Formats: sequence, C-alpha cells, structure tokens
Amino acid sequence: QSALTQPPSASGSLGQSVTISCTGTSSDVGGYKYVSWYQQYPAKAPQLVIYEVTYRPSGVPDRFSGSKSGNTASLTVSGLQAEDEADYYCSSYAGSNSWVFGGGTKVTVL
Amino acid sequence: QVQLVESGGGVVQPGRSLRLLCAASGFTFSNYAIHWVRQAPGKGLEWMALISYDGNNKEYADSVKGRFTFSRDNSKDTVFLQMDSLTTEDTAVYYCTREDIRSTSFDYWGQGILVTVSS
Repeated sequence: QSALTQPPSASGSLGQSVTISCTGTSSDVGGYKYVSWYQQYPAKAPQLVIYEVTYRPSGVPDRFSGSKSGNTASLTVSGLQAEDEADYYCSSYAGSNSWVFGGGTKVTVL
Repeated sequence: QVQLVESGGGVVQPGRSLRLLCAASGFTFSNYAIHWVRQAPGKGLEWMALISYDGNNKEYADSVKGRFTFSRDNSKDTVFLQMDSLTTEDTAVYYCTREDIRSTSFDYWGQGILVTVSS
C-alpha cells in the first residue's frame, strides 16, 4: 500500500491553469477507473472535487477537470481563482477493498 | 443534509486504547459503507479502514491491522473505531467518510477528531 506520487507543490497565476499529476501503478491508478481528487483547506476536512477520473460532483465548478493515462492521473484547474489555493490529494481504489492516497500537492495562486 | 460527526478523541498514553465514534444523519446510513481516513500533523491523508454497509466486511490498512477494530450499529446510525496498542505514530486527525455507492469515492466527510498519543 505505497502512497501515490504527487508533486509537493504547484503554482499558477490568477486566470491561468495548473495541472497536478498523480502516479501510481497498474495495481491502483492504472488498474481501475476509481480515481478521485480532494481539495483541502487548512484545518478543514477534504472535499471531493473529481470522482471516477473525470466526473465532477454537483456544485464543483467546471474549472476542475480530471484525466488519466496509464498509471498517471491528472487534475487540471483552469482559470485559477484565489479560492483554489489549497492542498489537493488524489486517491485510487487499490483492489481487495483497499484505497490509497497521494502525498498531496499544495497549490499556490500567484 | 448529510452529516458525519466524530467524537471520542483526546490525549492518550502509548500502549493505551481509545474508541472513536462517528454519528451519521441526513441519509439512509445502512445503505453505505463508511471509511476512516487519518492525517498526521502536517502530513497527507492515509486510508485506514472500511466497513461495509451491513458490517459484514471490514478491511484495514497494514499500519493498523490487528490493533484497530471497526464496527457499526445501523440502529443508531453510528460507527465505532476501537484503537488499541496506540503508538505515537497514531497521532493524527481522524476523519470518518462516506463511500459513494457508484463511484467508490469519499463524498462526505466528518469534521475530523484529533487523537494525540503522548506520554
């Protein structure tokens, strides 16, 4: 159950885009469509922003989008806004009723 | 609205036990699997445990297997996490979270409860 690999930090200017990668293996990210992304503000609980690789829950702006290629999933935030500054975590189903998270990426809006 | 509220956290000495509760409301609790996810101070999220909608299936991360026990009472819309043989490595904020039926994502989270293991 090794953690998925995410870059520790990413940044983008207001209105620009930022993409965060999440690299796993064929036993997790590459093997299932069940990749999700969570946004977390300091001292707050995480919130789901993407599920099943590409789908947005109701209420999540369409500036958030997800994709996957092989063992790597990605989250793109377009048209960056100040409120997008947060930590982002990917998660994947890893088989045998287990899940794994990425180490998290701190997004800074310049 | 969907709510998950954790309780039972606090400060405990290494080697001792603690029981966390997560009370649910706003949805048909007995239809959903519930998970625990924890976050050590300044660290990332760690998946810890799952209990199926009916309580018959439970799975644990290797880091807590054999020490933590997950149970639920569907008549009280509550899950319980019995944590034994605690170590300083178990110091974290513990979140209970609901697993979405279709997507296996964690669609609702509690506010989290802090457990500090310290002598």
